[in-house]
Amino acid sequence: SYELTQPPSVSVSPGQTASIPCSGDKLGLRYACWYQQKPGQSPVLVIYQDNKRPSGIPERFSGSNSGNTATLTISGTQAMDEADYYCQAWNSSTAHVVFGGGTKLTVL
Amino acid sequence: QVQLQESGPGLVQPSETLALTCTVSGGSISSHYWTWIRQPPGKGLEWIGYIHNSGSTTYNPSLMSRLIISVDTSKQFSLKLSFVTAADTAVYYCAKLVTPPVGTNYYMDVWGKGTTVTVSS
Repeated sequence: SYELTQPPSVSVSPGQTASIPCSGDKLGLRYACWYQQKPGQSPVLVIYQDNKRPSGIPERFSGSNSGNTATLTISGTQAMDEADYYCQAWNSSTAHVVFGGGTKLTVL
Repeated sequence: QVQLQESGPGLVQPSETLALTCTVSGGSISSHYWTWIRQPPGKGLEWIGYIHNSGSTTYNPSLMSRLIISVDTSKQFSLKLSFVTAADTAVYYCAKLVTPPVGTNYYMDVWGKGTTVTVSS
């Protein structure tokens, strides 16, 4: 089965840039997307198709995907960005949805 | 704007069947894929399975033997998970799965608020 790996936690100072990696075998050959989940809330799509932002998502959220790693980047991180972030991809050989284990972003 | 709402019992007895419904408003089930995801307390997201409005399904292999996802009406689809144990305690979400004509650009663009299910006697 296909697996996506994320670090359990990432810390960033307010106003700085946060980078959250997601690794998987030849992930760059698939599309990746990212969800933000705040405590007690359902996940929200923040990046799809590697680097596209849905309507309403701030421009400070961006994404990239190359080689074995997709990366979610938050520029000028704000306290409101503190949340869990999950990457997700599609396993085309099995037609299954695959999630990474999630990364807790702390803004301190 | 499509909105989703999960409903069902919050408490299920061990070895019984967990049954949840997702109601779609602001749109219909037609021509889309719909998926279930769960999140055990303090843990990450786990994909359960998805269904097309035609009725075709794909399930997580780890749950396949106990799982049925079905379309009930033009506005509702459901999940049934049998022989539940404490390990099935989780927040259950339904979501709309965006599928591309070609390629691997699959993602969930609309999520319900989730419903908490506890398996306990």
